[in-house]
Amino acid sequence: DQQVKQNSPSLSVQEGRISILNCDYTNSMFDYFLWYKKYPAEGPTFLISISSIKDKNEDGRFTVFLNKSAKHLSLHIVPSQPGDSAVYFCAASARRYGGATNKLIFGTGTLLAVQP
Amino acid sequence: GAVVSQHPSWVICKSGTSVKIECRSLDFQATTMFWYRQFPKKSLMLMATSNEGSKATYEQGVEKDKFLINHASLTLSTLTVTSAHPEDSSFYICSAALWSGYNEQFFGPGTRLTVL
Repeated sequence: DQQVKQNSPSLSVQEGRISILNCDYTNSMFDYFLWYKKYPAEGPTFLISISSIKDKNEDGRFTVFLNKSAKHLSLHIVPSQPGDSAVYFCAASARRYGGATNKLIFGTGTLLAVQP
Repeated sequence: GAVVSQHPSWVICKSGTSVKIECRSLDFQATTMFWYRQFPKKSLMLMATSNEGSKATYEQGVEKDKFLINHASLTLSTLTVTSAHPEDSSFYICSAALWSGYNEQFFGPGTRLTVL
């Protein structure tokens, strides 16, 4: 049962345009969401996160939007650059107060190709 | 930023041998470390959660006797693949969390294991 889904395995965008990567989740207990970027044969690198108490978080060229009613989040990259080409994973967590660090549930990833 | 290293970065071994992979947090103390496995073109699959000084918590379907995890200090966790077989060939990635309840995980660069 895939609790976090990224339905687009790949996305191609022209340099300078906006890249929109989508992620859907099914578990209503998830209250913290993260986006990671991953190059082949490397570990994921944290990009941006959002708590369920917010619907938007922005950091430079990266913005994450959360729609709790639709159980959907998206990552916007603008303007897109060739160096952004990588696999992007969304991840979700159900935080517990005072407990151990919660595990992340990852989506299947979207390969972003930014064309020069 | 928080840096996590893994050693070795790649290893080739014969079937039936055991392989140990180290995960170190270089500039911070990690209460919790996680071990993931990634199959080609697939998502990261959480194998186990490792808390310093206690037994690891394994995900359903992961054989604890096959994948031995030791988290003896706040900066080191090890994963030992015992009696490795070709189907154990994969990309193994560890991550570390700064403290309990902190959701952001910092990932190591991964270890490519090939079992002949």
